[in-house]
Amino acid sequence: DQQVKQNSPSLSVQEGRISILNCDYTNSMFDYFLWYKKYPAEGPTFLISISSIKDKNEDGRFTVFLNKSAKHLSLHIVPSQPGDSAVYFCAASAGYDMRFGAGTRLTVKP
Amino acid sequence: DSGVTQTPKHLITATGQRVTLRCSPRSGDLSVYWYQQSLDQGLQFLIQYYNGEERAKGNILERFSAQQFPDLHSELNLSSLELGDSALYFCASSAQSYRAGELFFGEGSRLTVL
Repeated sequence: DQQVKQNSPSLSVQEGRISILNCDYTNSMFDYFLWYKKYPAEGPTFLISISSIKDKNEDGRFTVFLNKSAKHLSLHIVPSQPGDSAVYFCAASAGYDMRFGAGTRLTVKP
Repeated sequence: DSGVTQTPKHLITATGQRVTLRCSPRSGDLSVYWYQQSLDQGLQFLIQYYNGEERAKGNILERFSAQQFPDLHSELNLSSLELGDSALYFCASSAQSYRAGELFFGEGSRLTVL
């Protein structure tokens, strides 16, 4: 029951360049979307979110884009920093139900 | 520190046994979520409670049950354990009263079934 999919298990980018993480969802009832970041031995931490009434939300170096017609969202990190190296989870919610993707491991090389 | 406390952090048990995982949400949060993360898997949604009532249910096995108590802490009970139940179990809490908003996660309870 993979309602939220992150098809890239890993991504490697150079410091200072852009990181683009992608996420697709299947359930059209989802109306709120989030990105979480997870370091080893820690729980996921909230990064940024977007409501279905918007198509873009920006917070510092992080921008989330939502394409409802394609049921696709992406997270852009500009510029990428070595401290951004972590696993990034995409999440989507409808009411109290929140589903997560499998995660993408981002490695930012100095 | 997210403010969400999970105990125990690590647990090793045998197949067929029963364990209880405990979660204390952030102060003031009425909503508690449980997720399972198996090796190389994403976070699988199990169940959610709001102020003691079950509000959403995911892929939770019949051998698993949960509840949220009047003091808002929650327990996840796993019974007749199988090897495949070995995983990291996360609890999260939310301040939102009408939907899932930003979730604050605990550090997880790692269960190993031998």
